[in-house]
Amino acid sequence: NAGVTQTPKFQVLKTGQSMTLQCAQDMNHNSMYWYRQDPGMGLRLIYYSASEGTTDKGEVPNGYNVSRLNKREFSLRLESAAPSQTSVYFCASSDFDGYSEQYFGPGTRLTVT
Amino acid sequence: SQKIEQNSEALNIQEGKTATLTCNYTNYSPAYLQWYRQDPGRGPVFLLLIRENEKEKRKERLKVTFDTTLKQSLFHITASQPADSATYLCALPISSGSARQLTFGSGTQLTVLP
Repeated sequence: NAGVTQTPKFQVLKTGQSMTLQCAQDMNHNSMYWYRQDPGMGLRLIYYSASEGTTDKGEVPNGYNVSRLNKREFSLRLESAAPSQTSVYFCASSDFDGYSEQYFGPGTRLTVT
Repeated sequence: SQKIEQNSEALNIQEGKTATLTCNYTNYSPAYLQWYRQDPGRGPVFLLLIRENEKEKRKERLKVTFDTTLKQSLFHITASQPADSATYLCALPISSGSARQLTFGSGTQLTVLP
């Protein structure tokens, strides 16, 4: 039982390049989330997926797209990376009930130069 | 808009003492509040959840209180150990939208000195 896995762990991009961050969970959770974490700003929600086939914007969606490929996988795409997207990205999942805790992946450290 | 404030960015205490971390929120009446621990280079890990009708929750050396009148939660670690050194985040459910969205505080970095 691996929990939530993310790839890659580290990535350096040049401005304007694109990339996809992958996330998978093996806990049969309905809901999945993408966050970014910047120093002093805490975790901010980018996009989330309440269940397979649905996605919604979070607090900071600009510059990102997501795909809920199936119940297990939720990917985050940067179409044209910008230096402001330098951050640590976390994927999380939770069960679909009223008080579920979220389970986080190990994170992807992204640098855009 | 909803706002969460955690009392300080960093807190240093001596081993064996009780650490107390504060989470204050405004413009919101959450049904529950969660606390997470985050170690450097890792994702947050869930610790405790307390519901609005619960005044206190305990788990081993951890204790959380929830005062909905003051709009405040206190997180205590008793008999603290150097292994408790980490950043602690509080999180509240967002009032609108689907799924179980959470708003996180920026965290308090706790260092327990041997």
